[in-house]
Formats: sequence, structure tokens, C-alpha cells
Amino acid sequence: GAGVSQTPSNKVTEKGKYVELRCDPISGHTALYWYRQSLGQGPEFLIYFQGTGAADDSGLPNDRFFAVRPEGSVSTLKIQRTERGDSAVYLCASSLHGDTSTNYGYTFGSGTRLTVV
Amino acid sequence: TQLLEQSPQFLSIQEGENLTVYCNSSSVFSSLQWYRQEPGEGPVLLVTVVTGGEVKKLKRLTFQFGDARKDSSLHITAAQPGDTGLYLCAGNTGFQKLVFGTGTRLLVSP
Repeated sequence: GAGVSQTPSNKVTEKGKYVELRCDPISGHTALYWYRQSLGQGPEFLIYFQGTGAADDSGLPNDRFFAVRPEGSVSTLKIQRTERGDSAVYLCASSLHGDTSTNYGYTFGSGTRLTVV
Repeated sequence: TQLLEQSPQFLSIQEGENLTVYCNSSSVFSSLQWYRQEPGEGPVLLVTVVTGGEVKKLKRLTFQFGDARKDSSLHITAAQPGDTGLYLCAGNTGFQKLVFGTGTRLLVSP
């Protein structure tokens, strides 16, 4: 597609449930990133994929969070045993090579707003 | 932990006024980007600055990277209501991940 697509756009789930958030990057972009944005804050890094492998997962807050990108395109962020503190907008971004020193930078999706009740 | 502090946090001005947003850190970044984000949307890249002291202009927006590559500023001339949004600076740590600033929410009234 023309842009980064994230589904669903909104997700309400009960505390303790499992959720999956999907990201479709721009075709041909090898680098894919997940960020989390809490209300009134800037995005915080979660994980970065180069191709199929997680090159840096240092931002994942704990072992309830996991992400995959099995074929090097679509990625899924998985959250187990959700907690109210997980409520945030989860943003996905992709870039051509992962080089942020150019004006290509990242292209972000519109995000998934996750609400844990 | 590398932090990027933005100031002011919130700015409400009238159309036609000028403004400057600051982005400061104690850390050195290999490059720095500015994004604008509107409600319900992801951030949209405005510019990337790479060299210390670099100045880039995008129509009425002027971006500057500090000489030591620790800080940056965004200056808007003759602001318009269409400039309203959340402005975010983001520094590249050199490890292919961005550290985002705290954000500046700009409201330009007609």
C-alpha cells in the first residue's frame, strides 16, 4: 500500500486478556519499528526489526510483550495478560533501510489505540 | 537514559505571530528529526538535520541543529492555523532507534 497500515485502529480489552496488534509496512521497507505513545507524551521505542529478525528489542517493557515479523513484511505486536498501564497508542513505522540520517526517515502509521479496562 | 526536553510544552498564539520551539539534551545525537503529529494520526517527518550548526528551511519553518549536536530549534514565521499540532523532536542515538522529545503542543488561532 501507499502508507503504513495498522489494525485495528481501536482496541478495548479487559484486564488480563491477550491482544494482537498488526502492522503492514510500506512495500519494500526492510526496517520496521514499534513505538508506544502515552497521552501527552512523545513516542517511546519498543522494538526494531531489520528484515525478519528483531535487531533491537531493548524497549519492550517486560516479557508480556512480544513481536514477530516472520516474512519480513507484516509485523504483529502481542501483549499477554494485559494491564491497565498498557493503555496507550501503539505506533508502527517503517523505513527503507533503517537509516535515520536522511530525509527519508520513518513513515508512521496512524496507530492502534489500546484501552485496557 | 537519553532524554530530549522540549520547551515550551504548550503554546497558544494568534495567526501571524512568530514562535520558536526548543529541543535540548545532554546527549550527542548523530542526527535529529522534527515531526508534526495531528490528533488520531502518526507523526509526520518534517526535516532531518545531520551536521552540527546546520540550518534547514521548509517554507515558513526554520530548523537549526546545535553546534555540539545536543540541541535543536524550530522557528515558525507568521504562524497559520494549519500549523496547529504536536511538534516532536527525535534524536538518533546511532543504533537505529529514535529518542523522542516530550513534545510541544501548538495552537494557532485565527
